[in-house]
Amino acid sequence: DVQMTQSPSNLAASPGESVSINCKASKSISKYLAWYQQKPGKANKLLIYSGSTLQSGTPSRFSGSGSGTDFTLTIRNLEPEDFGLYYCQQHNEYPPTFGGGTKLELK
Amino acid sequence: EVQLVESGGGLVQPGRSMKLSCAASGFTFNNYDMAWVCQAPKKGLEWVATISYDGSSTYYRDSVKGRFTISRDNAKSTLYLQMDSLRSEDTATYYCASHSYGSRRWFAYWGQGTLVTVSS
Repeated sequence: DVQMTQSPSNLAASPGESVSINCKASKSISKYLAWYQQKPGKANKLLIYSGSTLQSGTPSRFSGSGSGTDFTLTIRNLEPEDFGLYYCQQHNEYPPTFGGGTKLELK
Repeated sequence: EVQLVESGGGLVQPGRSMKLSCAASGFTFNNYDMAWVCQAPKKGLEWVATISYDGSSTYYRDSVKGRFTISRDNAKSTLYLQMDSLRSEDTATYYCASHSYGSRRWFAYWGQGTLVTVSS
């Protein structure tokens, strides 16, 4: 199985700032990476798939980049609703596998 | 609006069975591959199983093969997960998720999950 490693595990930032979350695959997954947001009491939300394609409804302040083994989720001009947990998931091969998560907290 | 509502979770003893259900609405259920994804307490997400839109193909993670069965009733827009021979390590919140149209690569919509606790 492809192992996915996210960094950092925790990240503190203030509204208006920009942050980046990294995801590294144990082998090349081409461009096939998705990003999700998880918040308590809410359904998980798909943000980005195929590395950089925004899911319908995802604000343009979110962007994804990378290919091969190294990927980045960038959130510009943080809004209060952006704080929560973020997971990456490779969708290049089965089984689909997720990173360990990054908790984005309010500074 | 897409809605996925899981039910059937609770406390179950090791070795026993439990069946989860997921009622879908707001989209054409029988056009989409569906999946179950779990999350152990304080842990990350883990894919469990996927079923094709028509139920003809199923896929499982190795640790549940032979113990879990994913199925669907398109007439009722409902997804199921039959879990047999449950183990303590199966304790998790189980999420129902839809794949995107024509692809079973990522998970487009999720339910809020149902907690399964395997303990004596």
